[in-house]
Amino acid sequence: DVKVTQSSRYLVKRTGEKVFLECVQDMDHENMFWYRQDPGLGLRLIYFSYDVKMKEKGDIPEGYSVSREKKERFSLILESASTNQTSMYLCASTTVWTGTLAGNAQETQYFGPGTRLLVL
Amino acid sequence: GQQVMQIPQYQHVQEGEDFTTYCNSSTTLSNIQWYKQRPGGHPVFLIQLVKSGEVKKQKRLTFQFGEAKKNSSLHITATQTTDVGTYFCAGKGAGGTSYGKLTFGQGTILTVHP
Repeated sequence: DVKVTQSSRYLVKRTGEKVFLECVQDMDHENMFWYRQDPGLGLRLIYFSYDVKMKEKGDIPEGYSVSREKKERFSLILESASTNQTSMYLCASTTVWTGTLAGNAQETQYFGPGTRLLVL
Repeated sequence: GQQVMQIPQYQHVQEGEDFTTYCNSSTTLSNIQWYKQRPGGHPVFLIQLVKSGEVKKQKRLTFQFGEAKKNSSLHITATQTTDVGTYFCAGKGAGGTSYGKLTFGQGTILTVHP
């Protein structure tokens, strides 16, 4: 079974603190993602990575950065936490399919348990 | 950018009633996936639809992908209390290299009253 773990289930931080959220997957997946989940807004993509040291901005990257030094680990960094970053943060991973069969390949995203972050 | 709209946001049903949630994409999709998130849990993959007009069934759940590959639906027949949770659709854009990137709908929160 694929396992995606996140460093904390719950975190409480103060405004202005630097916050690190870590995600580790054990399936040798190339792609990893960070989402935030807020009521009524669904899952919004913050950043994703398709290889070690490679990253792409998602839909809401402002106020966040990421690091992927090893294939199995993808970190989300809040440089200076603000109250509007209080949210549930979900990490996911998936393998990559390329070529003409890409659209037909199974591309399940496997999610970690989530980190509920409260910024005071 | 690509947007996926999902309705309704909430649905309350009596046990035994049917339930349907709908997704609409602003662009043509390569495939669409459905996920279920139990209360307090994380999203778990249910199914992927790829072909235009595709219909797939999983016991009481029926998934459809529209002919234009821009909309999809999930229908649950005779809901049970175990169906409680949030159901998300997630679309993969057609064309180009997407690295498995999905655009999620807002989700439908289903509550089932016994």
